Amino acid sequence: DTGVSQDPRHKITKRGQNVTFRCDPISEHNRLYWYRQTLGQGPEFLTYFQNEAQLEKSRLLSDRFSAERPKGSFSTLEIQRTEQGDSAMYLCASSLLPRGLYTGELFFGEGSRLTVL
Amino acid sequence: SQELEQSPQSLIVQEGKNLTINCTSSKTLYGLYWYKQKYGEGLIFLMMLQKGGEEKSHEKITAKLDEKKQQSSLHITASQPSHAGIYLCGADSGIPIARGTSYGKLTFGQGTILTVHP
Repeated sequence: DTGVSQDPRHKITKRGQNVTFRCDPISEHNRLYWYRQTLGQGPEFLTYFQNEAQLEKSRLLSDRFSAERPKGSFSTLEIQRTEQGDSAMYLCASSLLPRGLYTGELFFGEGSRLTVL
Repeated sequence: SQELEQSPQSLIVQEGKNLTINCTSSKTLYGLYWYKQKYGEGLIFLMMLQKGGEEKSHEKITAKLDEKKQQSSLHITASQPSHAGIYLCGADSGIPIARGTSYGKLTFGQGTILTVHP
């Protein structure tokens, strides 16, 4: 499978615990995005990387959230001291800065669903 | 900030019927994506529109972009149960550097839930 993969698919945790999600983008894609989606809403942009550089962070990304993409390949999103309001689907997407025939679409993974009790 | 309003919020149709979903932006549209999502799953890319008046089709799904109205519509012909899901429009927040490119930071509508009865 050469699509975007995310792990874990589901995570249930208690309030106050830390959680980490991993995203493996499509192998040749140099851009990686994190979005968050709550029930009944569309995804909201959190942050994105070009290669290993984090280029933009949404104000939705509080100090408890940190994202990394150390070698420009996979990325991790860590949430510290989770709160019930963090319960959501965390979606990762990747794209390739266009070259040749590529159109630069965002390809999304299946998401990691977080439930904070 | 840009806001996208989708209508209707939900739609129930009989198999074989045609339907249209609209997406209206509060600001200028530089690029408009349509995605389909099954409940609890990721987003499946359908189409990207960038030029005013652009129209694209994929199987029985057609999308159009009306730049002047800051609106896009998604039309499904002869709907099937496999079309059921949540349809999301997403607007690109930046001016594309070239045709077919994307800034990549999207603002999404709230989604339209489509149910197709056999």
